[in-house]
Amino acid sequence: GAVVSQHPSRVICKSGTSVKIECRSLDFQATTMFWYRQFPKQSLMLMATSNEGSKATYEQGVEKDKFLINHASLTLSTLTVTSAHPEDSSFYICSVHPGGTMEQFFGPGTRLTVL
Amino acid sequence: SQKIEQNSEALNIQEGKTATLTCNYTNYSPAYLQWYRQDPGRGPVFLLLIRENEKEKRKERLKVTFDTTLKQSLFHITASQPADSATYLCALGAVDSNYQLIWGAGTKLIIKP
Repeated sequence: GAVVSQHPSRVICKSGTSVKIECRSLDFQATTMFWYRQFPKQSLMLMATSNEGSKATYEQGVEKDKFLINHASLTLSTLTVTSAHPEDSSFYICSVHPGGTMEQFFGPGTRLTVL
Repeated sequence: SQKIEQNSEALNIQEGKTATLTCNYTNYSPAYLQWYRQDPGRGPVFLLLIRENEKEKRKERLKVTFDTTLKQSLFHITASQPADSATYLCALGAVDSNYQLIWGAGTKLIIKP
């Protein structure tokens, strides 16, 4: 399976600051990456689909100006939480979808805490 | 709207027994169903995929069944071990969904030694 890394694994920031989370596909070129957020004991919620070289596709209810996604290369997608507030505190996870398969391979996740 | 239900209560199983987890869905006709394992503070790990035209899939100690009439999948772990303790998520996908998945909230499995 694909190997995916995320950085940072954990971040604590003050309200109003912006936080960038990186998702890297280490062993194959990913044209598509997914960004999720997960609250405790809840299901994964798809935020957006990141497409290399084009704009991300956001799910309904997800503010694209607040959650900026950049997929500038086939191995890196970034999610920037702009002007973060305490309600943005969550577990953010990215996944990649290798072509020819239907399973997704996930990064280890980033725990964001906004004070 | 589409809905996936997994038992929200933790499932406690004695080591060596078979653990069975349930995934029910409504208002959806998936082309395939996947099971993932998630450990605390980690991303999910893919375990098994079963397609709509398949009744059963096996992988080592794992077995998945898929009943499109009942709209249900069962996930079995035989000869369970404490290391199998984790949260197990089911996810549904459709052919025209651009590989996006709809996720259940997961069931926490605890294998007691």
